[in-house]
Amino acid sequence: KQEVTQIPAALSVPEGENLVLNCSFTDSAIYNLQWFRQDPGKGLTSLLLIQSSQREQTSGRLNASLDKSSGRSTLYIAASQPGDSATYLCAVRLANAGKSTFGDGTTLTVKP
Amino acid sequence: GAVVSQHPSRVICKSGTSVKIECRSLDFQATTMFWYRQFPKQSLMLMATSNEGSKATYEQGVEKDKFLINHASLTLSTLTVTSAHPEDSSFYICSAKWTGEETQYFGPGTRLLVL
Repeated sequence: KQEVTQIPAALSVPEGENLVLNCSFTDSAIYNLQWFRQDPGKGLTSLLLIQSSQREQTSGRLNASLDKSSGRSTLYIAASQPGDSATYLCAVRLANAGKSTFGDGTTLTVKP
Repeated sequence: GAVVSQHPSRVICKSGTSVKIECRSLDFQATTMFWYRQFPKQSLMLMATSNEGSKATYEQGVEKDKFLINHASLTLSTLTVTSAHPEDSSFYICSAKWTGEETQYFGPGTRLLVL
């Protein structure tokens, strides 16, 4: 059974800082890994999707990396802004399975 | 593009009643839809996967007679919580995708409160 862990559970940083969120998974036979953002009481917004054959994806100030062999992914946020405050979830989809397993999320607070 | 809506956004009901939640793909044909529930400060737990025209596949521990899922068209799936109890109070989120698409597109969620 795939287990997904996100560390830290919560993070508070001043505006402008660069930061890294971590996601680890136990089964390295993944199909893809996706990072989402969830604002309080809202649904999920997809940020980045990394296929198993890829090592990283970038979108604006966000960069996600994937190391299957070590069972890890990181989400790097550059020059953080108060608007980045949200809960960030990673989801791992196993090969040959349509479903994804989610981590518990990291709640990020960026202080102005 | 790829917008998913849910209705209602919030619902309060009495214990013992049934509640239906709709999930619609507004600008694409959703061959697969997923239903999740999320308890406060916890992550999403997959409840079931439904493919259009087929019976839903439920995750272990999810009662299929209690959580009825219908995916009768390529743009609509419904989740009916039958005989709801206070412990069913949660945030229910659906997602949808089409064949060949890797990304799931999520709805905004429905908050259910059972009194």
